[in-house]
Amino acid sequence: SQTIHQWPATLVQPVGSPLSLECTVEGTSNPNLYWYRQAAGRGLQLLFYSIGIDQISSEVPQNLSASRPQDRQFILSSKKLLLSDSGFYLCAWHIQGRGTEAFFGQGTRLTVV
Amino acid sequence: GDSVTQMEGPVTLSEEAFLTINCTYTATGYPSLFWYVQYPGEGLQLLLKATKADDKGSNKGFEATYRKETTSFHLEKGSVQVSDSAVYFCAGTSYGKLTFGQGTILTVHP
Repeated sequence: SQTIHQWPATLVQPVGSPLSLECTVEGTSNPNLYWYRQAAGRGLQLLFYSIGIDQISSEVPQNLSASRPQDRQFILSSKKLLLSDSGFYLCAWHIQGRGTEAFFGQGTRLTVV
Repeated sequence: GDSVTQMEGPVTLSEEAFLTINCTYTATGYPSLFWYVQYPGEGLQLLLKATKADDKGSNKGFEATYRKETTSFHLEKGSVQVSDSAVYFCAGTSYGKLTFGQGTILTVHP
């Protein structure tokens, strides 16, 4: 069966510190991978998506970066966190095809203090 | 580029009331359309979907019909329950990219 692991579930980091959130997928090959951010009381903002290893598209200019070193691993990073980076981060995967659904991780609650 | 426009809300209803959340999609291709639901503190999970015109997706009493002429996919439920309180997201896929609306917060009171 397909599963998606995202960690950590909760993170409190000081301003200016680095960030690394990891997402791994099991049970599928060559998925499209996504990082979304959900600010408190707001909608879902697409940050990055990837259609393959080392193929990353950035949707919005920001303080974050993403990498995909392996087919089923997607990492969200920052060199120096800002207060505005606080939010709920969701990883998702999706197999391209008509009507195929996306599967989401449980999310990471990041608080920058 | 592709976009999803969703009724913003928040929506507050009494139990057993009728629910409609509007969603329209603009795409260069011919998208598949989805509704996802997010319960407090959790990730998103698929609620229902439709892949072609006039398809009706349904699940847990919720329904949505894919209207090709307007590329709309409005979510409806005839009688909501307190347990339906959540955030609802409309989404579409076109050429492999998954695009979400901004989400609608639904609160149902007893």
